[in-house]
Amino acid sequence: DQQVKQNSPSLSVQEGRISILNCDYTNSMFDYFLWYKKYPAEGPTFLISISSIKDKNEDGRFTVFLNKSAKHLSLHIVPSQPGDSAVYFCAAVNDYKLSFGAGTTVTVRA
Amino acid sequence: NAGVTQTPKFQVLKTGQSMTLQCAQDMNHEYMSWYRQDPGMGLRLIHYSVGAGITDQGEVPNGYNVSRSTTEDFPLRLLSAAPSQTSVYFCASRQGQVVREQFFGPGTRLTVL
Repeated sequence: DQQVKQNSPSLSVQEGRISILNCDYTNSMFDYFLWYKKYPAEGPTFLISISSIKDKNEDGRFTVFLNKSAKHLSLHIVPSQPGDSAVYFCAAVNDYKLSFGAGTTVTVRA
Repeated sequence: NAGVTQTPKFQVLKTGQSMTLQCAQDMNHEYMSWYRQDPGMGLRLIHYSVGAGITDQGEVPNGYNVSRSTTEDFPLRLLSAAPSQTSVYFCASRQGQVVREQFFGPGTRLTVL
């Protein structure tokens, strides 16, 4: 049973606009959350993270929001650029082990 | 630094064949792990190691063996391949418990016929 879910398999957004990726989780023991970005034929690379004691973390164009009561996190990319076209994985940590969502493929249109 | 390397990049096996997926890292990381990625499933942990000589099972260990004789290498063995093991396999390493600093290899795409 998947404990981390990304219910949107794909997202298409125009260059310059905001991309919003969503992730839901079921395990209340998760204490740390990460987003990874993956290009074809490459391994995932770390993008941004957030501790369960915070509700927002920002790094340049990327912001992650955490709503613990709703067991929901989201990744905002503003503004979206063509190089952001990739698969984005949400991951959650419990006891130093990661559980991953199925990923959302983002396509940024020119 | 080469980071995390995996060989081969692609492999086709017949049911029942055995093979070893190689993983090596040159960052002196203690923690190494193997994941498989399947469509609609995300990455799932197969086996992991917290140091040379120490391995443990992850979420989906059946059909796979691992060993860790050196800090650098963490091979994954399929003893008798099955079509259900068709997947993309990623090796990862990190220094201790800092999960945000986990580095992934480029992956091995395995097809079992």
